[in-house]
Amino acid sequence: QLQLQESGPGLVKSSETLSLTCTVSGGSISGSSFYWGWIRQPPGKGLEWIGSVYYSGTFYKQSLKSRLTISLDTSKNQFSLKLSSVTAADTAVYYCARQYYYGSGSYILPSFDYWGQGILVTVSS
Amino acid sequence: QSVLTQPPSVSGAPGQRVTISCTGSSSDIGAGYDVHWYQQLPGTAPKLLIYGYTYRPSGVPDRFSGSKSGTSASLAITGLQAEDEADYYCQSYDSSLSDYVFGTGTKVTVL
Repeated sequence: QLQLQESGPGLVKSSETLSLTCTVSGGSISGSSFYWGWIRQPPGKGLEWIGSVYYSGTFYKQSLKSRLTISLDTSKNQFSLKLSSVTAADTAVYYCARQYYYGSGSYILPSFDYWGQGILVTVSS
Repeated sequence: QSVLTQPPSVSGAPGQRVTISCTGSSSDIGAGYDVHWYQQLPGTAPKLLIYGYTYRPSGVPDRFSGSKSGTSASLAITGLQAEDEADYYCQSYDSSLSDYVFGTGTKVTVL
């Protein structure tokens, strides 16, 4: 059974860089079958996709692109998130998740089929 | 900032049928992109409920079903149970933003 676990500081100071790691167990992050993504949820609010990484590249939410870096570490079976110049608006529960394509076609989208439990990151002033 | 609109809340008595709409536009659902649905029980991570509009992952009861019509998608829960009380989110892709997008979310209350 695939499992994902987020780790990192729960408190980050305003203007600094938020860094999180997702450790994957029960399966390999290598290969072309899957994407690996980050989603966040501000307290009491809805879900927001942040960005995703796969074996040959990354794609980011356009509004966060200038502050965001997501990378894969296949040797450790991990992927990571770095979000720079954080503000209070970046306070949220951050989830890592696997994206899986169930089929092929221009309009087929990968779904987030496995999720980590989430980690609350608070940005303090 | 979500481009997929859902009703904030729906409710029903045990055993009843409820539906949740997910309204998009010509750049997402209307363009033909997939819709997936997630269930988020209180204090837990979201769980994939429906993918590709109508497909259920293994282990998801057939009380849950999805459909599409034009620029909207819908999730139906038949035979509502107390354990279905949760937040539900749709998800698609917006070609004008080049982003994956989630719906605004709907809280289902079992009366």
